[in-house]
Amino acid sequence: DTEVTQTPKHLVMGMTNKKSLKCEQHMGHRAMYWYKQKAKKPPELMFVYSYEKLSINESVPSRFSPECPNSSLLNLHLHALQPEDSALYLCASSPAGPGDNEQFFGPGTRLTVL
Amino acid sequence: KNQVEQSPQSLIILEGKNCTLQCNYTVSPFSNLRWYKQDTGRGPVSLTIMTFSENTKSNGRYTATLDADTKQSSLHITASQLSDSASYICVIRSGGSYIPTFGRGTSLIVHP
Repeated sequence: DTEVTQTPKHLVMGMTNKKSLKCEQHMGHRAMYWYKQKAKKPPELMFVYSYEKLSINESVPSRFSPECPNSSLLNLHLHALQPEDSALYLCASSPAGPGDNEQFFGPGTRLTVL
Repeated sequence: KNQVEQSPQSLIILEGKNCTLQCNYTVSPFSNLRWYKQDTGRGPVSLTIMTFSENTKSNGRYTATLDADTKQSSLHITASQLSDSASYICVIRSGGSYIPTFGRGTSLIVHP
């Protein structure tokens, strides 16, 4: 299985809602990433987990809360989001550690905050 | 500051024509360079990877070149197809880090 899956594909939520994005991979990768991508812009790194531990938080607001329950799963919990948080949220995974490791991206979750 | 600059920002070509996309970078130390293809609303998919010692690498109708001295790379698409319409992103990985630096991408539209 060489795929990263993300659910849901689309999500519409109000500013007072609490929702979660889910990412899963079964390639044995030990590094997992959350990216945010606005239209016509490159992906922006949000969080990196390495061996299920949060290793990088790119100064992301606390209304985004990541969680890595095990080596195959990565969640992004959303609470009290703003309309400007509407974007494509991409999950990726790679073999952990530095080097020429390819990041495998999921199809993304299209989030709209009303 | 590590940067990756891509040109052109957007490109429109007719089906069957060739095109070349450019990527200039200042990332140092250099580890590798990947070209990704991203369809609208989808995640990026890797096309090629270039390391320091490689000058040219092909993947079907896609050919990537790398000049590590001038810190330039290109992606040449031969005999374009409608399905080539996408954003093409140049991504550089710095030595010792697994956090890549993304270019802004080139948006390619192939018209019939």
